[in-house]
Amino acid sequence: LAKTTQPISMDSYEGQEVNITCSHNNIATNDYITWYQQFPSQGPRFIIQGYKTKVTNEVASLFIPADRKSSTLSLPRVSLSDTAVYYCLVASYGSNYQLIWGAGTKLIIKP
Amino acid sequence: GAGVSQTPSNKVTEKGKYVELRCDPISGHTALYWYRQSLGQGPEFLIYFQGTGAADDSGLPNDRFFAVRPEGSVSTLKIQRTERGDSAVYLCASSLERTASPVGANVLTFGAGSRLTVL
Repeated sequence: LAKTTQPISMDSYEGQEVNITCSHNNIATNDYITWYQQFPSQGPRFIIQGYKTKVTNEVASLFIPADRKSSTLSLPRVSLSDTAVYYCLVASYGSNYQLIWGAGTKLIIKP
Repeated sequence: GAGVSQTPSNKVTEKGKYVELRCDPISGHTALYWYRQSLGQGPEFLIYFQGTGAADDSGLPNDRFFAVRPEGSVSTLKIQRTERGDSAVYLCASSLERTASPVGANVLTFGAGSRLTVL
């Protein structure tokens, strides 16, 4: 199972673009990269997933280089409501299916 | 239902008591997960159901923990002889089944969790 490493915390300001990078050095060929967001007292919420290159949806963009050993979640023009914990996970396809969650990145947006 | 529903939202019990936590997944989601989350930590995997059967229960910490999903929909997590260390938020999530949608299976929808406090 591919383990991920991401910064423990980050600060930014309203209106800025925020990039959170995650490393997953032992990602396997068929693995997907997924990102979740979690607010206090709520369960995590799926943001985006990708396999390679770039994926964009209405919330974020995900950049994955060719070697796939890292990925970057990009949040455009953040607001105070984007303050949350962001988790990077690798979805591993095997006989047993697990998502291994790290401690995530606590993102604090300041006015 | 529209989302994943978990009951109770809060449960306070005494050490040694038995508790049951219930999860009602999204209709049509055959995959169901239980996680446990302590303050400041990421979710810790407990068990994964594919339909009625537990496909992976390797995360259950000991034999005091047990989960069932008898009809392939609602699931109950059961904890016997609770200990103070069992205090945490217990999260349930559901998703599409992997063989039906390999990419959709990565999109887990979580409930709000059941906060268990063992005194």
